[in-house]
Amino acid sequence: AQSVTQLDSQVPVFEEAPVELRCNYSSSVSVYLFWYVQYPNQGLQLLLKYLSGSTLVKGINGFEAEFNKSQTSFHLRKPSVHISDTAEYFCAVSKQGYSTLTFGKGTMLLVSP
Amino acid sequence: ETGVTQTPRHLVMGMTNKKSLKCEQHLGHNAMYWYKQSAKKPLELMFVYSLEERVENNSVPSRFSPECPNSSHLFLHLHTLQPEDSALYLCASSQDLGLAGITDTQYFGPGTRLTVL
Repeated sequence: AQSVTQLDSQVPVFEEAPVELRCNYSSSVSVYLFWYVQYPNQGLQLLLKYLSGSTLVKGINGFEAEFNKSQTSFHLRKPSVHISDTAEYFCAVSKQGYSTLTFGKGTMLLVSP
Repeated sequence: ETGVTQTPRHLVMGMTNKKSLKCEQHLGHNAMYWYKQSAKKPLELMFVYSLEERVENNSVPSRFSPECPNSSHLFLHLHTLQPEDSALYLCASSQDLGLAGITDTQYFGPGTRLTVL
């Protein structure tokens, strides 16, 4: 079985500052990795995904993530955040070849002026 | 309508009521999912359907009953719920289940906020 750990339940940051949201996973098989974002009163929207190839993945809204197999991590980064990035961010994992996702508990990103 | 839609967006029900949640996807996908999102807990996968057949049921109590009449529609029938069932219920769809060795991205609806009194 797979599991996902998002160590930070909440990350406060000032506008235009860089941010990193941490995600670690555990799995006995090869996995695919995802980051989703949930804005208030909305469903989840895919930010980016790692399936194979380059370990640095670029997504929408200026976000990127790096897959580190040795550290079993898939941290999400953005060099300069905006107020509109305030949302909850979920890291998820699936077994290779399957679409079923296992999610972390989420990290609330709070961007203030 | 585009993407994945869910109705109603909000629902308040008593423990003896019977209600249904509806999900519709306009993406031509073959797989659909129900998730439960409770505060401070990871999203919990409840049911998975592929080509209208249930392929996964993650130990969900029988007071939740899914129905998939066609590949575009998914229902969650609710009866005799408990207050701890209050949560956001999310529907998602993907092109397929990814069993061919690739993973299909899941697309989510906005959810139904359920409150059980």
